Amino acid sequence: AQSVTQLDSQVPVFEEAPVELRCNYSSSVSVYLFWYVQYPNQGLQLLLKYLSGSTLVKGINGFEAEFNKSQTSFHLRKPSVHISDTAEYFCAVSDRGADKLIFGTGTRLQVFP
Amino acid sequence: GAGVSQSPSNKVTEKGKDVELRCDPISGHTALYWYRQSLGQGLEFLIYFQGNSAPDKSGLPSDRFSAERTGGSVSTLTIQRTQQEDSAVYLCASSPNNPALYGYTFGSGTRLTVV
Repeated sequence: AQSVTQLDSQVPVFEEAPVELRCNYSSSVSVYLFWYVQYPNQGLQLLLKYLSGSTLVKGINGFEAEFNKSQTSFHLRKPSVHISDTAEYFCAVSDRGADKLIFGTGTRLQVFP
Repeated sequence: GAGVSQSPSNKVTEKGKDVELRCDPISGHTALYWYRQSLGQGLEFLIYFQGNSAPDKSGLPSDRFSAERTGGSVSTLTIQRTQQEDSAVYLCASSPNNPALYGYTFGSGTRLTVV
């Protein structure tokens, strides 16, 4: 069964610094990959998704992620973070043809001034 | 509606009482999901509806949990004889047909506290 690992439960970073949030999934079969963001007391919002094609995916709010099939990874990056990026970030995966997404346990990004 | 609506947003209940959580998905979305979010546990899948039927109930943690969907629209998650370990945020999401391709649109959740 497919699974998702987000090794970092918390990532503290100063404003305007770069950040990378790591995500690895278990299976190397064809997959769709997603990153969601959850701001305090809100539901999850889609940041970006990889379906096929270019392995570098650009999303909202200046975030991007790179699909690496050989390493079964889909790390999320931003070159310069803002205070407003403080939130919980969830990586999710689905096998092609599957009917649901499998989520990681989340990474809390805390941006300090 | 424009988004996925969940009610109530907060619910405090006494141990042993039954609770009903409601989800109103985006109009036309055939797939509807319930997840549970506990502190430090990520999102735990509960149940998936395609139309009014539930092809995957594998995540329901016990027989105290049940869900239904009527008219291919509104869904209700019922927890009977609530326990303190049921305290969590219950998230509903909906998706067009082929949800694994499109991802989900989530509601804001219902925060359930069992005292």
